Amino acid sequence: GIQVEQSPPDLILQEGANSTLRCNFSDSVNNLQWFHQNPWGQLINLFYIPSGTKQNGRLSATTVATERYSLLYISSSQTTDSGVYFCAVVASYDKVIFGPGTSLSVIP
Amino acid sequence: GAVVSQHPSRVICKSGTSVKIECRSLDFQATTMFWYRQFPKQSLMLMATSNEGSKATYEQGVEKDKFLINHASLTLSTLTVTSAHPEDSSFYICSARGVGTGGNSPLHFGNGTRLTVT
Repeated sequence: GIQVEQSPPDLILQEGANSTLRCNFSDSVNNLQWFHQNPWGQLINLFYIPSGTKQNGRLSATTVATERYSLLYISSSQTTDSGVYFCAVVASYDKVIFGPGTSLSVIP
Repeated sequence: GAVVSQHPSRVICKSGTSVKIECRSLDFQATTMFWYRQFPKQSLMLMATSNEGSKATYEQGVEKDKFLINHASLTLSTLTVTSAHPEDSSFYICSARGVGTGGNSPLHFGNGTRLTVT
């Protein structure tokens, strides 16, 4: 089946810093989503981005489907950005496969 | 729009009992719902795909007799953990995709259920 990798696995940032999270996938996908899981376990849908670039405030994402990767940019990080960031891809048979996640800690 | 409600958010039960978790799509109809399990500091693992009006499709290694899934209507899917044991303690999350949409549309997630089996 399709493999999804994320890097880095862990990231510590000083408040105000910028960061880039990466998601690689091993096969063609029908769609890709980025999620933020907060400390209470809630999954917040950040982007639905099968291809191209989208921006929402301090966050933006780019997916290059032909090269099988997606990037999530966080600018001017805040402590509330802490949590785990997952990318999830839809492969064959409509299954959604999650990557292992990037655990982000933003310190004041 | 596209709200998925999951209930309960937290449940503690004794070993050997059964627990039912509900997943509802509040403002859209969902022909397909997915159930995930997440252990501490791990990613979400797909357990099964629930299709309205038909049997669920379980992932390899998931016991279908232990994790009973019912998708009786276009807005409700339930997961019943039967004869729960402490190793079933986990965070269970459901997600849904709307009617008429295929793989090329976003999934919407419930807030999850934290199950603790004592």
